[in-house]
Amino acid sequence: DQQVKQNSPSLSVQEGRISILNCDYTNSMFDYFLWYKKYPAEGPTFLISISSIKDKNEDGRFTVFLNKSAKHLSLHIVPSQPGDSAVYFCAASPTGSARQLTFGSGTQLTVLP
Amino acid sequence: DVKVTQSSRYLVKRTGEKVFLECVQDMDHENMFWYRQDPGLGLRLIYFSYDVKMKEKGDIPEGYSVSREKKERFSLILESASTNQTSMYLCASSSVRGARETQYFGPGTRLLVL
Repeated sequence: DQQVKQNSPSLSVQEGRISILNCDYTNSMFDYFLWYKKYPAEGPTFLISISSIKDKNEDGRFTVFLNKSAKHLSLHIVPSQPGDSAVYFCAASPTGSARQLTFGSGTQLTVLP
Repeated sequence: DVKVTQSSRYLVKRTGEKVFLECVQDMDHENMFWYRQDPGLGLRLIYFSYDVKMKEKGDIPEGYSVSREKKERFSLILESASTNQTSMYLCASSSVRGARETQYFGPGTRLLVL
């Protein structure tokens, strides 16, 4: 059973608009969450993370929101750029660190010029 | 600069062959991981290691083994390759120093088993 779910396999957004990628989890022990971006033929690269003691973390154009009661997190990209087109994975850990990550299935974001 | 390298970007092997995938990191990280990535399934953990000579099974260890003789190197072994092991294999490493670390990934090895 998937403990981390990304229910949208793909998302298309116009350049300059907001991209919202969603992720749901079932394990209430998860206390650290990360987003990775992956281009074709490359390994995933870390984007942003959030601890369960926070409900928001911001880094430039990227903001992650965490709703613990709903077991839901989202990644907002504002404004979206064509170079943001990639597969985005959310990951969760029950250890407060990156030692033990469970990944979602990914969402392909396409930013249209 | 952080670097995780994998020995091959593309590999083609035949069913039944023994396959070695090598991963090296230059960040003095204690933790190393092997994942496979398949469409619609995301990244699934095969094996991981928190120290030299140490290994732990991940979520899908069947058909795989690993070796960690040196801190910087973590090898994934397919004892007898099968077609259902055709996949993208990703190695990653992380450090115990700093609680809010991330995993750093190599570029991946795309393996085709015929």
